[in-house]
Amino acid sequence: ELKVEQNPLFLSMQEGKNYTIYCNYSTTSDRLYWYRQDPGKSLESLFVLLSNGAVKQEGRLMASLDTKARLSTLHITAAVHDLSATYFCAVRYSGGSNYKLTFGKGTLLTVNP
Amino acid sequence: DADVTQTPRNRITKTGKRIMLECSQTKGHDRMYWYRQDPGLGLRLIYYSFDVKDINKGEISDGYSVSRQAQAKFSLSLESAIPNQTALYFCATSDSLAGVMTDTQYFGPGTRLTVL
Repeated sequence: ELKVEQNPLFLSMQEGKNYTIYCNYSTTSDRLYWYRQDPGKSLESLFVLLSNGAVKQEGRLMASLDTKARLSTLHITAAVHDLSATYFCAVRYSGGSNYKLTFGKGTLLTVNP
Repeated sequence: DADVTQTPRNRITKTGKRIMLECSQTKGHDRMYWYRQDPGLGLRLIYYSFDVKDINKGEISDGYSVSRQAQAKFSLSLESAIPNQTALYFCATSDSLAGVMTDTQYFGPGTRLTVL
């Protein structure tokens, strides 16, 4: 059974600071996703990482993947209030011919002025 | 217009009632999914369908059933609702034939269901 662990689950940071969210998973996977969810809203796709060493960047967010360590990171640079949201990683797992996502529990990020 | 729509957006019902949640998509995707979200538990997969004739159970399918009426429509039913099915329900779609083969899932706006 694939397990996906995110940490921290809660993160309160000041504007302008840097921080990293970690996503560990337990079995081999062929791709990893990061999503953002604003309060009361749906999930928005941020990044998909397909291979070892993959790095994607969008604005103040940068995601990377180390498949050997089964670890992905979401790095926040110079945080701003608009980044406050819950961030989920999700790992795609192949159970035979069926592919499905397993989500982490999410990291609630609050950026304070 | 939204690519993935869910109806109703909010529903309050009583224990024992039958409830159907509907999902429609205009993205032309072949794969559709139903998840529930509970505080502190993230999203958990209930059922998924890779085409009209393919339905698969997810990790928490007990107490739920689904119907894939067409490629664009995927409904979730609670045959006899119970209070611990109170949750936020999301439908999602993905395209297995996407050019870059990312299979990214796109989520609907969610249905907030309360079972009293």
